[in-house]
Amino acid sequence: QLQLQESGPGLVKPAETLSLTCTVSGGSISNSPYYWAWIRQPPGKGLEWIGTVYHTGTTFYAASLKSRVTISVDTSKNQFSLKLTSMTAADTAVYYCGRHSQWESPRTWGQGALVTVSS
Amino acid sequence: QSVLTQPPSVSAAPGQTVTISCSGSSSNIGSNFVSWYRQLPGTVPKVLIYDDNKQPSGIPDRFSGSKSGASATLGITGLQTGDEADYYCGTWDSSLGAVIFGGGTKLTVL
Repeated sequence: QLQLQESGPGLVKPAETLSLTCTVSGGSISNSPYYWAWIRQPPGKGLEWIGTVYHTGTTFYAASLKSRVTISVDTSKNQFSLKLTSMTAADTAVYYCGRHSQWESPRTWGQGALVTVSS
Repeated sequence: QSVLTQPPSVSAAPGQTVTISCSGSSSNIGSNFVSWYRQLPGTVPKVLIYDDNKQPSGIPDRFSGSKSGASATLGITGLQTGDEADYYCGTWDSSLGAVIFGGGTKLTVL
């Protein structure tokens, strides 16, 4: 059964860069027809897609975050990662990784990682 | 402001039927698959419907999905107090090249 698990710091200082990793088990990122996504949810608010990466390294980013986001894939480790620069309090959220097919939203989700931005 | 429009809240009594709408455009709902999620407080969104109207294994057939043009609908029959949650629709937008979600609908079972 496919499982995704986010890992990374729970606390980030303002202006710093957030780095999160999603480890995939029970399936392979390599040569997979699926896409691998990051989604976040600020406290008390709705879901916001951050971006998606394909195993070839092709990426898609939300327009509102594009200048600050980098998503990459490491097929040798079966992981994909998120980097978000210039963090502010508005970036405080639960960050989820997920998997989706082309033309749809994620069907499989990780458990989520709470990231708080505070000095 | 979300690309997909959902009502902020709906309510109904136990045992009744409720529908939640999700309105989009030809570049998203009109041409791609819609998923529906239920999110209880503090938990991961759970897929109730995928590919417009398919249920993952383990999801009761009280939950159904439909789509017409650029709008999709989630139906829930035989409402239970445990159905109180936030519900989201999601899909891919071919013009934006992005996954998009509705703003969410809070279901209250009176």
